[in-house]
Amino acid sequence: DTVLTQSPALAVSPGERVTVSCRASKSVSTGMHWYQQKPGQQPKLLIYGASNLDSGVPARFSGSGSGTDFTLTIDPVEADDTATYFCQQSWNDPLTFGSGTKLEIK
Amino acid sequence: EVQLVESGGGIVQPGRSMKLSCAASGFTFNNYDMAWVCQAPKKGLEWVATISHDGSSTHYRDSVKGRFTISRDNAKSTLYLEMDSLKSEDTATYYCARLYGYNWFAYWGQGTLVTVSS
Repeated sequence: DTVLTQSPALAVSPGERVTVSCRASKSVSTGMHWYQQKPGQQPKLLIYGASNLDSGVPARFSGSGSGTDFTLTIDPVEADDTATYFCQQSWNDPLTFGSGTKLEIK
Repeated sequence: EVQLVESGGGIVQPGRSMKLSCAASGFTFNNYDMAWVCQAPKKGLEWVATISHDGSSTHYRDSVKGRFTISRDNAKSTLYLEMDSLKSEDTATYYCARLYGYNWFAYWGQGTLVTVSS
């Protein structure tokens, strides 16, 4: 299976820029997608195809990368962005998710 | 508005069965592949199974092959997950999700909790 590695947690202040990383154990081309999950809620799609912003998602969110290294950037961060962010790859079978990065807003 | 509403979760003993349902609305159900994704308490997300738009093709993660069956009734706009021989490690919130494009999960339901315990 393709293992996706994310750092477990980050803490930033409102107004700052934050990057959440996701590294794949083998190439996933641009088949990488990002989700936001707030406590007690279902995940929500933010970015698909590595860099495409889903409809209705604020332009503060952006994605980049290809192959094995990917980044989700939030700039500027707002208090409402407190959540866990998951990456997911769809290039290789089976579909797999990263373990999530918990973002704390100081 | 796309809505996915899961039901059927609860507490079940190890070795028993449970069937989850997901009622879809706000879109043309039979145009989309659908999936189940689970999340163990305070853990990450795991893809469970996928079914094609017309039900002709299904895929499962290895740990549920032979025990879980994904199906759909396009006339009722409803997705199902039949879970047999349940184990304690199947304890999780199960989300129904609509797939799009190259297999990303575009919409998610609110989830239904399945607890496997004696």
